[in-house]
Order: sequence, then structure tokens, then C-alpha cells
Amino acid sequence: DTEVTQTPKHLVMGMTNKKSLKCEQHMGHRAMYWYKQKAKKPPELMFVYSYEKLSINESVPSRFSPECPNSSLLNLHLHALQPEDSALYLCASSQVARSSYNEQFFGPGTRLTVL
Amino acid sequence: QQQVKQSPQSLIVQKGGISIINCAYENTAFDYFPWYQQFPGKGPALLIAIRPDVSEKKEGRFTISFNKSAKQFSLHIMDSQPGDSATYFCAARKGGNNRKLIWGLGTSLAVNP
Repeated sequence: DTEVTQTPKHLVMGMTNKKSLKCEQHMGHRAMYWYKQKAKKPPELMFVYSYEKLSINESVPSRFSPECPNSSLLNLHLHALQPEDSALYLCASSQVARSSYNEQFFGPGTRLTVL
Repeated sequence: QQQVKQSPQSLIVQKGGISIINCAYENTAFDYFPWYQQFPGKGPALLIAIRPDVSEKKEGRFTISFNKSAKQFSLHIMDSQPGDSATYFCAARKGGNNRKLIWGLGTSLAVNP
């Protein structure tokens, strides 16, 4: 299984809502990532988890709250978002061995619209 | 400051032609250079990657050329097909435990039938 899955595919939420994005991989990868991508722009790194511990937070606002319940799952909890947070949210995973390329495998993304 | 500069921003190629996308970088600590392909509404997919100890890597119709002294690398798509129409991103990463990719701004490729 070389797939990263993300749910939901699309999400529309109001600024007062609380919602969660989910990501799952079964490749045995121990690093997982959240990215935000705006139209016609490259992905922007938000968070990195390594061995289920948060290792990188790219100064993301606290209205985004990541969670890694186990080595296969990654969640992104959303609360009090702003319209400018509307974007494609991508999850990725990779190995962590220093000797490997550690290629990042991306999921299809969740298209988020904040009204 | 854009650490990885990618050009052109957009590219139109006829079917069967060669598509060439260029990237340049400044940081000599980068030791891994992947290219990602992204179709509309999909996540990026790793296309091909290279390390700086190799000057060229070929996988099917896709070739990376790497010039370490010039700090440049490029993607060549031979016999371009309409199905290759997508956005292509080059990226770079430092060695060590840092897994952060530094991305180029992307090239939108359209291959006309």
C-alpha cells in the first residue's frame, strides 16, 4: 500500500465551526506532514511529526491544532478559521532514516472553504 | 527571498516536443533535489529526484540534469504528451534530520495535441 488517504475531500465551514481533517498511511512511515496550498502556489509546510511527536511547527496560528494519535494517523483540528484559511490542505508521509531519500508521499488533499 | 528559483512560470509545448524547466539554488547545503508533478485537484506526486553527486538521472521520458558548479538543475520531458499537462515543482532539501522541502514557485505546463 503506497497511498496516503485524506478525508474529507471537500469541507465547507463557517468561522465559528470546529472541524477536523484526517490523514492515514500504511507504508510504515514515521514522519507525517501537514501542508497548506493556495491556488497556483507551492505547498507551504505547516507541521511535521516524527515518531508521533511534533518536531516542526512553522509558526502556524493556534486555530490549527495538529494531532498524531498513532504512527498511521494524523489529524488537523480546525477552530475559528478565517476566510483566508481557505486552501487545499495536504498530508504527506515519509521515512525518517538518514540514509534514504525520505521521499514525501502526498495525499490528494482536502479542499477547505471557510465562509 | 526565494531560495529555489524556478523558470519559466508557464510553458506551452507541442505534442512530441521537449519540455524544459529550470531551477537554480543558492544554498550549497542542499543535498536532495526532487521534482513533483501536480494535476488539478490532486496532491503533488514525486516524479524524479537527484542528489548532487550525479550529473544526470533518467527515468523513462523524464531526465534531471544537474550542474553543481552552477547550482542549477533542470527537468527535461522528452516526447511530451497532452497527459503531461500539469504543474511541476522543483524542490531542494538540506542534509541531516531537517525534512523541510524548499519549493520553487512552479511551472504550469500545457502540451497541445
